Amino acid sequence: AQSVTQPDIHITVSEGASLELRCNYSYGATPYLFWYVQSPGQGLQLLLKYFSGDTLVQGIKGFEAEFKRSQSSFNLRKPSVHWSDAAEYFCAVALNSNSGYALNFGKGTSLLVTP
Amino acid sequence: SAVISQKPSRDICQRGTSLTIQCQVDSQVTMMFWYRQQPGQSLTLIATANQGSEATYESGFVIDKFPISRPNLTFSTLTVSNMSPEDSSIYLCSVGGLSGRRPYEQYFGPGTRLTVT
Repeated sequence: AQSVTQPDIHITVSEGASLELRCNYSYGATPYLFWYVQSPGQGLQLLLKYFSGDTLVQGIKGFEAEFKRSQSSFNLRKPSVHWSDAAEYFCAVALNSNSGYALNFGKGTSLLVTP
Repeated sequence: SAVISQKPSRDICQRGTSLTIQCQVDSQVTMMFWYRQQPGQSLTLIATANQGSEATYESGFVIDKFPISRPNLTFSTLTVSNMSPEDSSIYLCSVGGLSGRRPYEQYFGPGTRLTVT
């Protein structure tokens, strides 16, 4: 079955430290991949996306992600975390659905940033 | 990207009643979707709102419970009918196909937080 796994439910990093959030997917073909961020009480904001081409993609707010086909992964990274990055992060994969355009979301990783 | 608004932002409703949630986009879009986010959970697609025709529902969601309208390319409504406490969730609309982008590239509204008592 098609699935998206975010192995880390919670991650705590110090402000200024680097960050890596993991995402693994299980799909037959190369999927379309996304990272979204949800701040408390807010909707989802698209950070970055991968469709094809260069496997290292740049997004907003200084985030980047790397698609690794051999590992079925699409990990999100940031070299220096700011306190405002504390939020819930969701990895998503485009899914074959009744409508044809659904996104299948992972369960999310909650990021806490300490001073 | 487009500005997507939802009304109401939150509501507390009694069991057995219905609530209609509105989603408005400030530009025409080809695709509009409705998702549910149950407490502490991830997002699940309810349906795709099709302009001028019946919505396309995902497995586990039915029209009688979640009727959807989409009268034009900028507006859609989701009704949560005959509510029970299990319907307490955040309901989010999203849009795809903005400015010629792929339908998979979806942008989300701020969500409607529904509590059913």
